Amino acid sequence: KAGVTQTPRYLIKTRGQQVTLSCSPISGHRSVSWYQQTPGQGLQFLFEYFSETQRNKGNFPGRFSGRQFSNSRSEMNVSTLELGDSALYLCASSPGQALYEQYFGPGTRLTVT
Amino acid sequence: QQQVKQSPQSLIVQKGGISIINCAYENTAFDYFPWYQQFPGKGPALLIAIRPDVSEKKEGRFTISFNKSAKQFSLHIMDSQPGDSATYFCAASTPGGGADGLTFGKGTHLIIQP
Repeated sequence: KAGVTQTPRYLIKTRGQQVTLSCSPISGHRSVSWYQQTPGQGLQFLFEYFSETQRNKGNFPGRFSGRQFSNSRSEMNVSTLELGDSALYLCASSPGQALYEQYFGPGTRLTVT
Repeated sequence: QQQVKQSPQSLIVQKGGISIINCAYENTAFDYFPWYQQFPGKGPALLIAIRPDVSEKKEGRFTISFNKSAKQFSLHIMDSQPGDSATYFCAASTPGGGADGLTFGKGTHLIIQP
């Protein structure tokens, strides 16, 4: 099976802009989670979607949002970008409802200038 | 509050030696404890995972030891090889996930010297 794919791989944006990142899960996986990875804070949970519904949400401001489509593909959006949003954004998919056996994609490296 | 504490931050082991990374947790509702391996420029890769009803799980050269009463678990890499040089993360999850999702430790940067 193909792994989790994320597009784009690299992105440079300016403060105040918005950005949309895309994730395609492993075929058959219905749960998609998003994480932010930074050197200072490590890996932090953003949100999780299952069957197009947001099931869990981390402690991030409302500028961070996401959605999941009927084919399980997911997008996350960050509005009004801040310098501190520069990070590696990782998508993970898992086969079931619980957050077990999460498989990560390569990530999207977002740089905000 | 950091729910999963990982140590050491960095570790240097000679080729053929045993690498040991430790994690401790506070939330007794955690019921799933995976370890991930991450190489530079890549996403974390699931290595091995354990549930609290077993004390040890072994897959190849990788072993998880789990101590429920002490709320600690560790990763042992036997016969460590230069290709094992990477950052390792422990993690934990509750059945429902909640606001923390999969909660990660801060990571251990492992270097295997040839």
